[in-house]
Amino acid sequence: AQSVTQPDIHITVSEGASLELRCNYSYGATPYLFWYVQSPGQGLQLLLKYFSGDTLVQGIKGFEAEFKRSQSSFNLRKPSVHWSDAAEYFCAVGAYGAGKSTFGDGTTLTVKP
Amino acid sequence: ETGVTQTPRHLVMGMTNKKSLKCEQHLGHNAMYWYKQSAKKPLELMFVYSLEERVENNSVPSRFSPECPNSSHLFLHLHTLQPEDSALYLCASSQEAGGPNGELFFGEGSRLTVL
Repeated sequence: AQSVTQPDIHITVSEGASLELRCNYSYGATPYLFWYVQSPGQGLQLLLKYFSGDTLVQGIKGFEAEFKRSQSSFNLRKPSVHWSDAAEYFCAVGAYGAGKSTFGDGTTLTVKP
Repeated sequence: ETGVTQTPRHLVMGMTNKKSLKCEQHLGHNAMYWYKQSAKKPLELMFVYSLEERVENNSVPSRFSPECPNSSHLFLHLHTLQPEDSALYLCASSQEAGGPNGELFFGEGSRLTVL
């Protein structure tokens, strides 16, 4: 069975600082990997996804993520965080498409002025 | 309207009430989903519909009854709920269920409180 671990429940960074959110997955074959963001009172929005090919994927809002098979990781990064990035971030792994996605518990990001 | 729309946004009901949540997608997708999001718990997949047929039911109690009359609409009928059913219920759609392009498009959710 597939599983996702987001080790950090809560992260606080200063505005303008760099950000890395960790995601580790467990799946027997090549996974489909996603990062979603959820602002308070909103649904989830896809930031980026990895299916195959280049292991560094670019997403919306200046985010990127790198797939590392040897480490079973798919960490999300942003070079300079904006106050509007404060939200909850979910990593998800799919078996053969998003319909079967398993979500991590989420990481809450707080941005200090 | 565009995207995925859920109504109502907030619902308070007693344990003996019957209510329904509604979801409508304007994206021309073939698959629709119900997820439950509880505080301090991961997102739980409840139901998956593909071309109006239920393809997955993740051991959800029978007090939750889904209905998908067409590929654009999805309902979640609620009856005799328990206080632990209080949660944010999220509807999502994707182009296909289980396909490689299956990113999920979520609605804003219906916040349910059971008294």
